[in-house]
Amino acid sequence: GDSVTQTEGLVTVTEGLPVKLNCTYQTTYLTIAFFWYVQYLNEAPQVLLKSSTDNKRTEHQGFHATLHKSSSSFHLQKSSAQLSDSALYYCALSDRTGANTGKLTFGHGTILRVHP
Amino acid sequence: DPKIIQKPKYLVAVTGSEKILICEQYLGHNAMYWYRQSAKKPLEFMFSYSYQKLMDNQTASSRFQPQSSKKNHLDLQITALKPDDSATYFCASSPTNQAPLFGEGTRLSVL
Repeated sequence: GDSVTQTEGLVTVTEGLPVKLNCTYQTTYLTIAFFWYVQYLNEAPQVLLKSSTDNKRTEHQGFHATLHKSSSSFHLQKSSAQLSDSALYYCALSDRTGANTGKLTFGHGTILRVHP
Repeated sequence: DPKIIQKPKYLVAVTGSEKILICEQYLGHNAMYWYRQSAKKPLEFMFSYSYQKLMDNQTASSRFQPQSSKKNHLDLQITALKPDDSATYFCASSPTNQAPLFGEGTRLSVL
């Protein structure tokens, strides 16, 4: 089956320093889309980034990610972490070949804690 | 104003009882979904509906039954509740080929 792996359960970083959250995947889908969702405490998950193009960098709210099919990865990065970035981050994939494109497979999530 | 309304926000139930989780979306999306988030597992896909038709069911137990009375409604009926059913249940919706937008969830506790 399809799977998404987020190796870190918790990432702690000092405000102003760069941060990277890892995401790798295994899938049998031929056409895929990837997402990073962010979930703040007691809120709903919301889309942060999305991509379906190999080797193309996508950016939003200071975060960026590049889908690399050669290494099956879609890591999330930011050059300067902010206190407000503290949240739970999910990597997810979906199959783009059928009609059920909203069916996402999520990783276990990475808690990002940014401290002063 | 929230565009995906889930009711109730919090729900406490006793083991063996039955509950219905309500979801309405006012975004005009044709697809709706249920996801579950528990302490032990990540966000987990349960069901998807498109134009009120079941597209996919990844829930092994028949105790979980989605119900779509209108195209912008997708309720979730859970019967014979167990403590392991305790989780936050998220309703989501999307247009075709777009990322799902999630509601604020219903937090279910089964005692």
